[in-house]
Amino acid sequence: KNEVEQSPQNLTAQEGEFITINCSYSVGISALHWLQQHPGGGIVSLFMLSSGKKKHGRLIATINIQEKHSSLHITASHPRDSAVYICAVPYYGGATNKLIFGTGTLLAVQP
Amino acid sequence: DAGVIQSPRHEVTEMGQEVTLRCKPISGHNSLFWYRQTMMRGLELLIYFNNNVPIDDSGMPEDRFSAKMPNASFSTLKIQPSEPRDSAVYFCASSLRSSGANTGELFFGEGSRLTVL
Repeated sequence: KNEVEQSPQNLTAQEGEFITINCSYSVGISALHWLQQHPGGGIVSLFMLSSGKKKHGRLIATINIQEKHSSLHITASHPRDSAVYICAVPYYGGATNKLIFGTGTLLAVQP
Repeated sequence: DAGVIQSPRHEVTEMGQEVTLRCKPISGHNSLFWYRQTMMRGLELLIYFNNNVPIDDSGMPEDRFSAKMPNASFSTLKIQPSEPRDSAVYFCASSLRSSGANTGELFFGEGSRLTVL
């Protein structure tokens, strides 16, 4: 079974700050997912990446397969970025490829 | 595309009643997932289907839970009888899974918030 750890669990930032959320996993993977969930809201897939870096607007996701580590960066953070950010990796514990989710990072961006 | 559509968005029911949650995946997607989210346990996979066939239901809590996918455009998750501990948000997600290990990018529905009194 793959184990997923996210840090920090909670993060408070001032508007405009650069934010980094980290995700580490224990078993080699083919792809890692970053998800976003606003309070009381649905879940949105931000990135699925298997190597290097991806960028979408102010969001950047990086992954280091050798170190089994991924980071999600938010540049010029804004209060609307306040949400829970979740990373997920494949289970690889059996014949299935279901995802294992991290516990999430609760981000609050203050104006 | 309308995205993944779930219904109902909210359901309040009494213990012992049957609950049916519905999901319409994105057209063309071949994988469908049912997740449950609670404060205590976070997101948990209940069951997933590939090409309408259940692949892994090891996350289904017990026999009170059942899921079906009669065709590529519709799935149900049923709880009978419901209990207060089933109160949670149930998410359906779909993806286009190519051959190989990747699940494909997941697209989630808005969720069905269930409260069992």
